[in-house]
Amino acid sequence: EVQLVESGGALVQPGGSLTVSCAASGFRFSDLTMHWVRQASGKGLEWVGRIRDKGYNYATEYGASVSGRFFISRDDSKNMAYLHMNSLEVEDTAIYFCVRENWLLDYWGQGTLVTVSS
Amino acid sequence: EIVLTQSPGTLSLSPGERATLSCRASQSVRSNYLAWYQQKPGQAPRLLIYGVSSRATGIPDRFSGSGSGTDFTLTISRLEPEDFAVYYCHQYGSPFTFGPGTKVDIK
Repeated sequence: EVQLVESGGALVQPGGSLTVSCAASGFRFSDLTMHWVRQASGKGLEWVGRIRDKGYNYATEYGASVSGRFFISRDDSKNMAYLHMNSLEVEDTAIYFCVRENWLLDYWGQGTLVTVSS
Repeated sequence: EIVLTQSPGTLSLSPGERATLSCRASQSVRSNYLAWYQQKPGQAPRLLIYGVSSRATGIPDRFSGSGSGTDFTLTISRLEPEDFAVYYCHQYGSPFTFGPGTKVDIK
């Protein structure tokens, strides 16, 4: 069974940094691209970014609103993906979902809540 | 970046009725990379449709997708109580984008 479990969400002050994690199981993690998608309370889905697999040299891409502030990494030996968030803004408050790409975004974790507030 | 627009914002219907949801793209969606997701409160989105019209595993056949180019439709032939939710269209060219969602609520 495919499982994606996010962790690490927290309350952070504006301008701060935070890393959230995604633990994957039930599939060959190293073969697939992993994404992060976020959702502010009562709002729609916003694509944050993705990290491709080793075959694509772990290339990363990011959405415009987070580019230059957020970075995605992965550790295939641990079946883990990470979202490193810097210079956090109040507008970054959201649930952050880890999502598997198997040609498309097919499995989602339950998300972890990041709150940016003073 | 392809911008997706969904209409209507809210659709109020009764169980048993037919629901028709629209998704329009600002430019042609590459290779029909268009999907639909269902999201209920407190849950992650669930994949319903991919490649415009292919149902994901376990999705009942009352859900169907159609369209091409810039105009796409999700149809729920007869609404069941569990179908009342928010539906998002999504194009998975790069960069990935989502529509703002259509809420289907009980009339």
